[in-house]
Amino acid sequence: ELKVEQNPLFLSMQEGKNYTIYCNYSTTSDRLYWYRQDPGKSLESLFVLLSNGAVKQEGRLMASLDTKARLSTLHITAAVHDLSATYFCAVDIYGGATNKLIFGTGTLLAVQP
Amino acid sequence: DAMVIQNPRYQVTQFGKPVTLSCSQTLNHNVMYWYQQKSSQAPKLLFHYYDKDFNNEADTPDNFQSRRPNTSFCFLDIRSPGLGDAAMYLCATSSPGLAGAREQFFGPGTRLTVL
Repeated sequence: ELKVEQNPLFLSMQEGKNYTIYCNYSTTSDRLYWYRQDPGKSLESLFVLLSNGAVKQEGRLMASLDTKARLSTLHITAAVHDLSATYFCAVDIYGGATNKLIFGTGTLLAVQP
Repeated sequence: DAMVIQNPRYQVTQFGKPVTLSCSQTLNHNVMYWYQQKSSQAPKLLFHYYDKDFNNEADTPDNFQSRRPNTSFCFLDIRSPGLGDAAMYLCATSSPGLAGAREQFFGPGTRLTVL
């Protein structure tokens, strides 16, 4: 059974601090996505990681992918309150005509002033 | 702007009363997906269409059905909603012909309440 696990499930951190969210998955895939979700809202695409060793950065967030270790990380630098949300990783398990996303368990991030 | 639109944004129905959720897209994408997201859980794929080809997930209950009359529209029908079907329903699209990510584009979602 395919599993996509994130840890931690809940993260409370202070503004200005750094932290990393981990996404582990149990099947072969070379594509992984990170999404942000605010309460009651839909998913907002953050990063698309297409190959082993891919690293992308946007503002205070940086995502990386290690397909050999089946691990992706989302690093938060100098957190601010506006980053408070739930973050999901999603693994793309098809290489063919359509892609099917299997989402991780989600990490609820609360940034405290 | 090209986008994915879902209607209604909020839907209240009664236990056992059929309900239909709507998704439309202006992206001209081949693939349309329906996800169910229950409170504090991850989105879970129910089914998807590649053009007119329907692909059901093995664990999607028979109570859930879908129709795609044309490229732009896709509907989710819940024949007899139960209390456990209360959730956010997310529609997404993608285009496998696009080089690169085959990224899925999500609509704003419909929050379904079952009384």
